[in-house]
Amino acid sequence: EVQLVESGGGLEQPGRSLRLSCAASGFSFGDYAMHWVRQAPGKGLEWVSGISWNSGRIGYADSLRGRFTISRDNAKKSLFLQMNSLSAEDTALYYCAKGVSFSHIASWGQGTLVAVSS
Amino acid sequence: QSALTQPPSASGSPGQSVTISCTGTSSDVGGYKYVSWYQQHPGKAPKLMIYEVSQRPSGVPDRFSGSKSGNTASLTVSGLQAEDEADYYCSSFAGSDKVVFGGGTKLTVL
Repeated sequence: EVQLVESGGGLEQPGRSLRLSCAASGFSFGDYAMHWVRQAPGKGLEWVSGISWNSGRIGYADSLRGRFTISRDNAKKSLFLQMNSLSAEDTALYYCAKGVSFSHIASWGQGTLVAVSS
Repeated sequence: QSALTQPPSASGSPGQSVTISCTGTSSDVGGYKYVSWYQQHPGKAPKLMIYEVSQRPSGVPDRFSGSKSGNTASLTVSGLQAEDEADYYCSSFAGSDKVVFGGGTKLTVL
């Protein structure tokens, strides 16, 4: 069974940084693309970033303006999202997701909540 | 990279069919076969319902079907059931290693 467990969320002040992690199990992590998708309270899904199995392809939503960095450690079966210069607009539930390349998302974690407020 | 356009709401009675549209551009929906649909119940993580325009993952009822014409993709739910009431999101590959979602459609079973 695919399991994706996010961590690292919490309350942070505007302008500060946070690093999200996702621990994967139940599948061959190194064979799959991974994504971060966020959902602001009461709003829809927004794709944040994706990374291919070997980190050779990396993409980001244009709205991030270069503030976020995605990375992965296949040996540790882990996905990361470094978020810098946080603003209130980044407040959301952040989902870690297993992708089939950049075609679609096959499995989702339960999310970690990021709240940005002074 | 603009969000795909979905109607905010849709509804139907049990047993009826309902179709949800998802409109993009030639740079996303119209340019690739990589359109997918997700179902999300309140407080739950999304679930993949359709991928590559019309493919159904194992375990998804065949009441759910997908299609595409030009820059518009569609999800049809036939034989509506109470448990189909949820939010539905479309998504498309948008080139340059980017993905875009639709704004979501709230499906109500009357």
